Amino acid sequence: DAGVIQSPRHEVTEMGQEVTLRCKPISGHNSLFWYRQTMMRGLELLIYFNNNVPIDDSGMPEDRFSAKMPNASFSTLKIQPSEPRDSAVYFCASSPQGYEQFFGPGTRLTVL
Amino acid sequence: GESVGLHLPTLSVQEGDNSIINCAYSNSASDYFIWYKQESGKGPQFIIDIRSNMDKRQGQRVTVLLNKTVKHLSLQIAATQPGDSAVYFCAEISGGYNKLIFGAGTRLAVHP
Repeated sequence: DAGVIQSPRHEVTEMGQEVTLRCKPISGHNSLFWYRQTMMRGLELLIYFNNNVPIDDSGMPEDRFSAKMPNASFSTLKIQPSEPRDSAVYFCASSPQGYEQFFGPGTRLTVL
Repeated sequence: GESVGLHLPTLSVQEGDNSIINCAYSNSASDYFIWYKQESGKGPQFIIDIRSNMDKRQGQRVTVLLNKTVKHLSLQIAATQPGDSAVYFCAEISGGYNKLIFGAGTRLAVHP
């Protein structure tokens, strides 16, 4: 079992550029979550999908952030345009029926 | 994998001693709690969970205690080992789906 796969592992970009983070959940899991981790705010839930449908996006900070899940094996989190305050580690997690969530290794985003 | 250098409370223990990590949760209606471990450079990893109808649950070297009266959760690690060094988060399930609300975290440092 490969676990949750995220790419890229590191991303350095300049302010104003578009950033796309990718996630492949564990096969058979029907829930997918995007989190952001920062020094100031800790781990925050950004958006939750169930069966590829966005259920709760109340954590998405603003319109510059968008997420999609076109199929059960792939999701993207896009930031356009990116800003320095978006610098953080972004985690994707997936879950089968039930409560336990399995986290990916994260993507460290640095916006200069 | 990635993690962030969070400015967290730190618990320092000697190898072989028992560790107790505490957590206060906010929602008295939460019915499920999880402890996660985050090692440097990795995503959070599930350790143990407990439902609100229980006050104690034991795993391998770990015990979780739940006091609903004061909304307090603790994680006890027996015979702490250097590999236990990590940041530990408690999380509560709140809401109509498996939405995790994470605590701020505690850094556990194990010294030989």
